Amino acid sequence: KAGVTQTPRYLIKTRGQQVTLSCSPISGHRSVSWYQQTPGQGLQFLFEYFSETQRNKGNFPGRFSGRQFSNSRSEMNVSTLELGDSALYLCASSLNMRQGEETQYFGPGTRLLVL
Amino acid sequence: SQQGEEDPQALSIQEGENATMNCSYKTSINNLQWYRQNSGRGLVHLILIRSNEREKHSGRLRVTLDTSKKSSSLLITASRAADTASYFCATGPNYGQNFVFGPGTRLSVLP
Repeated sequence: KAGVTQTPRYLIKTRGQQVTLSCSPISGHRSVSWYQQTPGQGLQFLFEYFSETQRNKGNFPGRFSGRQFSNSRSEMNVSTLELGDSALYLCASSLNMRQGEETQYFGPGTRLLVL
Repeated sequence: SQQGEEDPQALSIQEGENATMNCSYKTSINNLQWYRQNSGRGLVHLILIRSNEREKHSGRLRVTLDTSKKSSSLLITASRAADTASYFCATGPNYGQNFVFGPGTRLSVLP
């Protein structure tokens, strides 16, 4: 099976702009989670989608949003970009987030630089 | 606050030596997972240990879990230069909770 793919891999934006990142999970995986990774804060959970519904959300402002499509592909959007949004954004998929059973498979990430 | 905390933050060893990394967490868990990340890339799943398991092996990896101490360790035996990476523990969710990653241990294996 193909792994988790993320597009684009690199992105440069300026403050105030918005950005949309895309994630295609492993075929058959219905859960998609997004993480932000920065040197200062480490890996932080953004949100998780399952069957087009957001099931869990991290502690991020409303500028960060996401959605999932019927084919399980997911997008996340960041509006009104700030310098601090510069980070590696990682997407991870799993079959289902049933407790105690799930391994998450990560994509290569999208590196976002906000100038 | 972070659920998992790895220790040490950085570790430098010679090729062939063993590397041990520790992870402590605060609340009850269903499972604990270890991931590896090569510089600036995605995470690669290494091993999952469930809360009712005490030890698990995968190739050169050995993971232990002590739920009474809320801690886990990852042992990499006979390390190689290719093991140079950051290693993260992640505590697996109870229903309605998300995975929480620690800050990671940066391992450098010198040839």
